[in-house]
Amino acid sequence: GENVEQHPSTLSVQEGDSAVIKCTYSDSASNYFPWYKQELGKGPQLIIDIRSNVGEKKDQRIAVTLNKTAKHFSLHITETQPEDSAVYFCAANAGGTSYGKLTFGQGTILTVHP
Amino acid sequence: DGGITQSPKYLFRKEGQNVTLSCEQNLNHDAMYWYRQDPGQGLRLIYYSQIVNDFQKGDIAEGYSVSREKKESFPLTVTSAQKNPTAFYLCASSIRTENYGYTFGSGTRLTVV
Repeated sequence: GENVEQHPSTLSVQEGDSAVIKCTYSDSASNYFPWYKQELGKGPQLIIDIRSNVGEKKDQRIAVTLNKTAKHFSLHITETQPEDSAVYFCAANAGGTSYGKLTFGQGTILTVHP
Repeated sequence: DGGITQSPKYLFRKEGQNVTLSCEQNLNHDAMYWYRQDPGQGLRLIYYSQIVNDFQKGDIAEGYSVSREKKESFPLTVTSAQKNPTAFYLCASSIRTENYGYTFGSGTRLTVV
């Protein structure tokens, strides 16, 4: 089955700096890669996703890049703000009859210091 | 508003008891999922269902059971066979017909006392 590794497990930045979180996946059939943000005591929320037919996608201060050959994808947050502090999860889908099923990385705790 | 509702938010269970966590969605999503979240371990899949009256085991199904009698509902029972049930449980739903992001509920924190 799919295996997703996420790094780093914790990330601390100053307000205004950029933050980068990286994930690798194992299943070459995976073609959908979402990112989720989870605030304390709440469920994760989808913040951006990318499909395998594109290499990069941007949404304001957030961008995701995908390298299918190397099987890795990254989340980039620019001009970080204290409200960006949260746990971030990457995920990859399963192929075949299990389509739609997501495997998640272990999570990154991002702290943005004012 | 469309969404996915989990209840209760906090649940306490005595050793040897079964408890059922509720998950209801009004998004007309076909697929529903249960994940367990422990510190430092991300989200691990317990069970998932892609259609009514059908469900599949995930990576950590032992000690858990589910049912999917209605499209809107996917309750999870934590049985006494689950050795370490204290965790944060998340329910999610998605459109089945293509790969699409999940909508998550707000979670249930289960504590064994």
